[in-house]
Amino acid sequence: DIQMTQSPSSLSASVGDRVTITCRASQGIANDLAWFQQRPGKAPKSLIYAVSNLQRGVPSKFSGSASGTDFTLTISNLQPEDFATYYCQQYYSYPYTFGQGTKVEIK
Amino acid sequence: EVQVVESGGGLVQRGGSLRLSCAASGFTLSTYWMSWFRQAPGKGLEWVASIKQDGSEKNYVDSVKGRFTISRDNAKNSLYLQMDSLRAEDTAVYYCGRLYDNGRSDYWGQGTLVTVSS
Repeated sequence: DIQMTQSPSSLSASVGDRVTITCRASQGIANDLAWFQQRPGKAPKSLIYAVSNLQRGVPSKFSGSASGTDFTLTISNLQPEDFATYYCQQYYSYPYTFGQGTKVEIK
Repeated sequence: EVQVVESGGGLVQRGGSLRLSCAASGFTLSTYWMSWFRQAPGKGLEWVASIKQDGSEKNYVDSVKGRFTISRDNAKNSLYLQMDSLRAEDTAVYYCGRLYDNGRSDYWGQGTLVTVSS
């Protein structure tokens, strides 16, 4: 199975900050990497697919990039609604696997 | 508007069975792969199973193989998850999600809670 390791597990930031979350795959997954946002008590929402492609309706403050098996989600100009838990997921091969999540909290 | 709505969750005893349903609307179900995902209380996300458009291919996470069965009825715009021999560790919110052929998902439902009591 492909393991997805996210870091950090949590971070504190202020409104207006820019934050970066990293996800490392245990083997190559091409560009088959997605990011999800989950607000407390809500269902996960797909933000990005294929490393850097925004889902319809997702604002451009969210961006994704890759370097080999390292993947990054960047959120610019943090707003109150962005404080949530973020997950990466590989869909390169079964079983599809997720990172353990990064909780973005208000400082 | 694309929507997927799960139902069928509830409290069940260990070793029991439950059937989850997912009603799809706003798109043609027969043109998409579909999946079930789950999230145990306070834990992360886990992919559970996927099924091809015509039901001819199914994939499962190892922990549910032989116990869970994914199926679909395109004519009824519905996806199902039959869960047998339930264990305490199957307690979770179960989500259905729409997939593209390459495995990426976009729309997920709001989830249905399954609680397995010991």
